[in-house]
Order: sequence, then structure tokens, then C-alpha cells
Amino acid sequence: GQQVMQIPQYQHVQEGEDFTTYCNSSTTLSNIQWYKQRPGGHPVFLIQLVKSGEVKKQKRLTFQFGEAKKNSSLHITATQTTDVGTYFCAVRYFGNEKLTFGTGTRLTIIP
Amino acid sequence: NAGVTQTPKFRVLKTGQSMTLLCAQDMNHEYMYWYRQDPGMGLRLIHYSVGEGTTAKGEVPDGYNVSRLKKQNFLLGLESAAPSQTSVYFCASGRIQGTETQYFGPGTRLLVL
Repeated sequence: GQQVMQIPQYQHVQEGEDFTTYCNSSTTLSNIQWYKQRPGGHPVFLIQLVKSGEVKKQKRLTFQFGEAKKNSSLHITATQTTDVGTYFCAVRYFGNEKLTFGTGTRLTIIP
Repeated sequence: NAGVTQTPKFRVLKTGQSMTLLCAQDMNHEYMYWYRQDPGMGLRLIHYSVGEGTTAKGEVPDGYNVSRLKKQNFLLGLESAAPSQTSVYFCASGRIQGTETQYFGPGTRLLVL
């Protein structure tokens, strides 16, 4: 079946360091969304990418969609304690409009 | 607006017992979803609904049933709970399918002994 690989599974960084999580698919994607889940909370939508090579920014967060629409990344510059949580990518394949979630990357910040 | 609400927040069941989880949304969304979240496995789709009176199977439907009698409510039923169904259950809703954002409820923690 179609698989969504998200790496790394865990990331521990010092406050102020950068963080990146990657989402990879073996199949070309229709679009991709990113969600953040705080500890004990529920997933919250961050952004959606649709176009090949698309780059979007939200303050310290930068989202990229690969040229082949098979991979995506989320980069956080100068992490803060408020960035703690698990970041999920959620993908849609052509002809299958349901979201398939990646396994997530759990980010912890060392103050 | 309350958004998406879930009842109950936490429940302990014995093996073989039954229960119903209730999801309600006040955003007039057509689409509703039930996910389960287990450590290291992300969110997996159990069942979903594209409108009132319709339901469809997701990735892991076995052992669960759903009903969407009213547009704003989506019920998830466990007829005979098993320890493997210990999980956190999230309900979500969306306006249209294909590109829409999904809005999640706060979750229900279920422990089956």
C-alpha cells in the first residue's frame, strides 16, 4: 500500500537551535498538509501545500513541497519552548481524497 | 462556536463491554472522520462520513461501527471492546473533501482492561 515515511521520529534540540522534519512518499501526492499536536492536545492545522516546489513561511516556520511532489519538509528556525509537540504531515494521493497521516516527529526543547 | 466536541473525555471498559463515543460539530461541515492514535503510529482513519446518512470504512474499521443520523453528529460504536482498542480517539470534521482543513476534537482516551 501507499506509505508515508516521516523522519526523524524524535528530535531533541537546545532552545535556539533549528529543527527540520521530513515527510516522504513513494507515490506522487495531490497535496500535503502539516499539523501540530501539543502534548496532551489534539492536532491543529498549520498549512497546506499544493504546487510543485511550493515554499510557504509562517514566522519561524518554513514549509517546502518537493519538485516531484513526493516529499515535503518543515523547518523551524531558532526553536522556542512553545514549539514543543509532535508535527505530522498528512498527504492526499490522486484519486484518494482521504488524508493519510505520517507517524509524526516529536520535538522536545532543552531550555 | 464550540468547534468539534467529543464525549466522553475518558473511559475505562472491561473486555466485552460496549460503548458509544459521540462527536458533535457546529461548523456545518459535510465531512466527519474518526481516527485512533497509538504511540508511534500516528493517526489512523477508522471510518468517515461524507454527509448525513452516509458512512464509509477507513484504514482500520474492524471492531467499530458508526452512524451519522444528523449532520452535526458522528457516533463511533464499539460492540465488544478488546484490549487492542485501547487508544486515543479523535474526531475531525471538514467542509469539503480534497483540499480542506480538518478540525479535530479534543479526543477521548479509552482504556480496555
